[in-house]
Parts: sequence; C-alpha cells; structure tokens
Amino acid sequence: AQSVSQHNHHVILSEAASLELGCNYSYGGTVNLFWYVQYPGQHLQLLLKYFSGDPLVKGIKGFEAEFIKSKFSFNLRKPSVQWSDTAEYFCAVQGFNKFYFGSGTKLNVKP
Amino acid sequence: GAVVSQHPSWVICKSGTSVKIECRSLDFQATTMFWYRQFPKQSLMLMATSNEGSKATYEQGVEKDKFLINHASLTLSTLTVTSAHPEDSSFYICSARDYRGNSPLHFGNGTRLTVT
Repeated sequence: AQSVSQHNHHVILSEAASLELGCNYSYGGTVNLFWYVQYPGQHLQLLLKYFSGDPLVKGIKGFEAEFIKSKFSFNLRKPSVQWSDTAEYFCAVQGFNKFYFGSGTKLNVKP
Repeated sequence: GAVVSQHPSWVICKSGTSVKIECRSLDFQATTMFWYRQFPKQSLMLMATSNEGSKATYEQGVEKDKFLINHASLTLSTLTVTSAHPEDSSFYICSARDYRGNSPLHFGNGTRLTVT
C-alpha cells in the first residue's frame, strides 16, 4: 500500500537556523512529489513540486527539496528560517492520479 | 492563482441529519476533485476521488452510502454526509486539480463539521 512518512512531528528552531524535514514514501510506480504548507488559519498551499528532471527543486520563500530515488525520499530544506515560516508542512505523493499525504510536521520558529 | 472555494466553512448539525458540503473550482476546470478528512494531529486521509460525470472512487474503509459524492460539472463537487453521527465530526477538505496536464492540487479552506 502507498504511504508517506514524515518522521518529524514537531520541530522548534530559532531564527536563522537551518531546516531539514524528512519525507519518505513507498509507492511502486512513477510518482510526482510535493510539499505543501499550511500557515495558521489558512488553507494548504503549494510550496514546491517535483515531476521530473533535476532532482533538486527550488520552491517559494527560499525552500528547496531533493528527490533521492534510491532512498524514496523528498526532504525539504531551507538554509535560514524566519519566524514567518512557522506553519505545518505536509509532504505529498501523487501516484496514478491519487494524492497521499504525510502526517505533517509542525514548525515553530522562535524569534 | 487557482482558487478552490469550499462551503460552508463550519457547520453544526444534529445526529441523524444530513449535511452537504460544496467544493467549487473558481477559475479553472477540474475533471477530478478529491475529498479528504483530517483528524486532530493526523494527516489528511483521502476519502474518495470525485470524477466529473461518473461515479466517485472511494478508498477502502470509506462508506460510499454514508458519504455521497456528486461531481455534476467541471467546477463543482459535493459531499453529503448522510445520517450524521458524532463520530463523523471532523475537518473535511476538498481539493481540485486542473484538468490540463500535470498540475498540483489546489485546496479549499475546509469544513469543520460538528455533529451533536
């Protein structure tokens, strides 16, 4: 069965710290990969996506993610977080026209 | 950008009644819409895939007779929770995908359903 795992449920960082959120998936076929962000009180928004090509994907607000096919991973990174990055982050995998989400990671950035 | 409107944003109903939730893609056509349910501190759980003009595809464990889905047009899908019970109280989120080629999901703001 398809699954998406986000191992960090809650991350607390100080401003300017570097961020890496893990995402692993299991799926037998070709996948598209996404990271979504949900700011407090708002709906889910697309942060970045990977369909094919360069496995290092750059998204909005300085975020990037790297697809490592051999590890079934799509980790999200940001070199220097800001207080405004406080939100919940969801990794998602699309396979055969269905989207599956990880359990989310809450990020708190302390000013 | 693409906008998905979900209505109502919250609803309180009594046990045994039915509740309809609407999901509209405002500026794009969506042949496929997805309905998710989110429990507190848990991920979005895919309930069903709604296909315009055909029957919805339900995930294992989701009762299709309880969660009726209708996707009558390229911009509207509805989810009706029939004979609601307190255990149906949850946060329901719809999402839609532009029918043109590879595209990500666009999400509605969700509906908080409370069944008393």
